[in-house]
Amino acid sequence: DTGVSQDPRHKITKRGQNVTFRCDPISEHNRLYWYRQTLGQGPEFLTYFQNEAQLEKSRLLSDRFSAERPKGSFSTLEIQRTEQGDSAMYLCASSLARTSTDTQYFGPGTRLTVL
Amino acid sequence: QKEVEQDPGPLSVPEGAIVSLNCTYSNSAFQYFMWYRQYSRKGPELLMYTYSSGNKEDGRFTAQVDKSSKYISLFIRDSQPSDSATYLCAWSNSGYSTLTFGKGTMLLVSP
Repeated sequence: DTGVSQDPRHKITKRGQNVTFRCDPISEHNRLYWYRQTLGQGPEFLTYFQNEAQLEKSRLLSDRFSAERPKGSFSTLEIQRTEQGDSAMYLCASSLARTSTDTQYFGPGTRLTVL
Repeated sequence: QKEVEQDPGPLSVPEGAIVSLNCTYSNSAFQYFMWYRQYSRKGPELLMYTYSSGNKEDGRFTAQVDKSSKYISLFIRDSQPSDSATYLCAWSNSGYSTLTFGKGTMLLVSP
């Protein structure tokens, strides 16, 4: 257990529905990342926050995706009008960008299945 | 050309074998190199982190980086069944940037 928690662990939804995932990082970590991982692939970067500011978004993050990190603590990732292609594991990672390196610690992920 | 190439396996070895896992990359901007281990249905777990060419050892694990050839390796000595997992290589441009992952190599260590 890295100390990063994600909720829910599994989500099954029907196409067209909206879903929201939550990530609680390690408490003193100021950076929070979202990645997506499909079967047989490595994680792909979606977006990241430093404190409450969203500093970078991947081109993978379509308009249907939105992420927030109010008050620089937990973060939520919302997917609107889900599509079957959104089925994947959504991983959250956090880090403490204080030294010259930025080790990212991953949570257990939320597995999304879109029917 | 893909930025990162990693053989997906599976790689099957008997317990006690020395395992060699490899990745190649094409982006010269990559400066920091990592190996993550991922058990089935779990998040990735950091194993090794290095930013220079050469070898770095941690217990049964040795990470090797060759920046001139854009090649990194992970060696596992005295492999155990508990080492059965997917091993992901990862890179970043700097100490603070996002990670680029390989597809992962599935390792199976049989008793």
